[in-house]
Amino acid sequence: SQTIHQWPATLVQPVGSPLSLECTVEGTSNPNLYWYRQAAGRGLQLLFYSVGIGQISSEVPQNLSASRPQDRQFILSSKKLLLSDSGFYLCAWTPETGRSNQPQHFGDGTRLSIL
Amino acid sequence: GIQVEQSPPDLILQEGANSTLRCNFSDSVNNLQWFHQNPWGQLINLFYIPSGTKQNGRLSATTVATERYSLLYISSSQTTDSGVYFCAVPSGGYNKLIFGAGTRLAVHP
Repeated sequence: SQTIHQWPATLVQPVGSPLSLECTVEGTSNPNLYWYRQAAGRGLQLLFYSVGIGQISSEVPQNLSASRPQDRQFILSSKKLLLSDSGFYLCAWTPETGRSNQPQHFGDGTRLSIL
Repeated sequence: GIQVEQSPPDLILQEGANSTLRCNFSDSVNNLQWFHQNPWGQLINLFYIPSGTKQNGRLSATTVATERYSLLYISSSQTTDSGVYFCAVPSGGYNKLIFGAGTRLAVHP
């Protein structure tokens, strides 16, 4: 069966420090991968999605970047964190690429606090 | 882009009560998902329901795609049902999801 892993679960970082959050999927090949952010008390907003290795699309302008160095690995990064980057970050996947009629599955999320 | 509205924003129930949560969307969609976010933040898939009705234990969902809404029914609510319920629909291809703002449910014993 397919599983998705995110780490770390919790992270406290100072303003101006770098960031790297990692997400991996097991049990599937060539998935669509997604990064979402949830601000406190709000819904989820899509940040990035990827349909293949090295292919990244950004949905909103921001201080973050994403990379997909391997088929089932998705990384969210920043060179210098801002206070506004605080939030709950969730990685998600859907099986197969190019098809919109598939349910999306989420990891357990990373709670990021910027001090 | 497509707009997703959920109601009510907040709901307080006594254990054992029934409830209906609503999700309206502004454009036609070919799928819709309901999620439960528990107090630890985990987003749990409840239903993938492009149209029709599905049931899973005490929960059921109905999507009327032609009228652009979906309903989530919770019967005999339990304290473990507490959390935030989100609906989400795809927009712009590649199954990118647009989420509603959620319904925050508190079930008291």
